[in-house]
Amino acid sequence: SQQGEEDPQALSIQEGENATMNCSYKTSINNLQWYRQNSGRGLVHLILIRSNEREKHSGRLRVTLDTSKKSSSLLITASRAADTASYFCATASPVPPFGSARQLTFGSGTQLTVLP
Amino acid sequence: DSGVTQTPKHLITATGQRVTLRCSPRSGDLSVYWYQQSLDQGLQFLIQYYNGEERAKGNILERFSAQQFPDLHSELNLSSLELGDSALYFCASSVVPSGSAYNEQFFGPGTRLTVL
Repeated sequence: SQQGEEDPQALSIQEGENATMNCSYKTSINNLQWYRQNSGRGLVHLILIRSNEREKHSGRLRVTLDTSKKSSSLLITASRAADTASYFCATASPVPPFGSARQLTFGSGTQLTVLP
Repeated sequence: DSGVTQTPKHLITATGQRVTLRCSPRSGDLSVYWYQQSLDQGLQFLIQYYNGEERAKGNILERFSAQQFPDLHSELNLSSLELGDSALYFCASSVVPSGSAYNEQFFGPGTRLTVL
């Protein structure tokens, strides 16, 4: 089953508006990452937030993490038509017995459509 | 361009056949991951190799196998193919330095497998 569940499943907004996507997960994590996927293409890493961080910014992206609620949010400000894509959260959990091994578990994704 | 290459881009084959998907990680990355993305199952982790050794296993069928060669490229072998194996198969790589808890994964463009 999916570790991360994104909400909403689909989001449609006008160019210039902000887009917020949420992700919930079930088990303890080392970090949480957000990826973007254009239709049928490979995933592109957007941002990584560590379990001891609460907020992180990268350009127009803002990610928050609440480990007590096991949830994260991705905010894209001043959206553009080019932001249209699917956005996935992925949680990294240790894989015993190797401490340095990490398995990423992806959520089901949010399909964002930004209308010009 | 993530630096991860995958061949072929598209593969069309018949049920019962066997195919091999190839992945070259980013220069310097020791860890390779394989994922399957389908409409009904979403993005599923299959298997991870680190410096030639299997490190973690996810939802990989017994009909599937993988290996990582001394030059760090990896191959995913899919045999006795079924219609349900039609999917996008992604390879990702990461550095995974020893002791690090934080690893970003870089994804290749994927191989689209169609089983007829």
